[in-house]
Amino acid sequence: IAGITQAPTSQILAAGRRMTLRCTQDMRHNAMYWYRQDLGLGLRLIHYSNTAGTTGKGEVPDGYSVSRANTDDFPLTLASAVPSQTSVYFCASSEGTSGTGELFFGEGSRLTVL
Amino acid sequence: GQNIDQPTEMTATEGAIVQINCTYQTSGFNGLFWYQQHAGEAPTFLSYNVLDGLEEKGRFSSFLSRSKGYSYLLLKELQMKDSASYLCAVLDSNYQLIWGAGTKLIIKP
Repeated sequence: IAGITQAPTSQILAAGRRMTLRCTQDMRHNAMYWYRQDLGLGLRLIHYSNTAGTTGKGEVPDGYSVSRANTDDFPLTLASAVPSQTSVYFCASSEGTSGTGELFFGEGSRLTVL
Repeated sequence: GQNIDQPTEMTATEGAIVQINCTYQTSGFNGLFWYQQHAGEAPTFLSYNVLDGLEEKGRFSSFLSRSKGYSYLLLKELQMKDSASYLCAVLDSNYQLIWGAGTKLIIKP
């Protein structure tokens, strides 16, 4: 059982470059999320999607975009990376959309922007 | 603003009991979660409390007092594998999750 797969696991990127972090789930969950995790801070929600074809902005959406063309895939794109986007990015999913259900996380993508 | 407070780091001895506290100030409340995160790994779900009281699940228990804006995670019979960060998160009135920065728990033999 794969659950949630993220790629790449780690990436070093020059500032100004475009980057897409991939996320795929095989649990047929309705809701998917992208978080960033920085030292000393709680997880912060970037974007979310409650169902295929819809997306919403989280707490820190600027500089990021997402799409949800189907149930399984939820890529996160940095159009023009900046050093402040250096972080560990986690994709997550949940069966329901109420927020009261368990979140299942991918293993994370460590991104360094130089 | 919304705020979740947890101790940054705690140390405990193998075989002992440790209590990790979480206090919160949020706009509304629709439940509180605890997640465990080993270094370099993904967070994994431990518990969800929406009503006051203690919920026990094996060696782990989670307590909630909504009137005090307070929760704790109790870990008994500590094992070395319990060394991890423990994340507290509150679901606010808009059903948005607000996360604490996490408590790093170090277990010593």
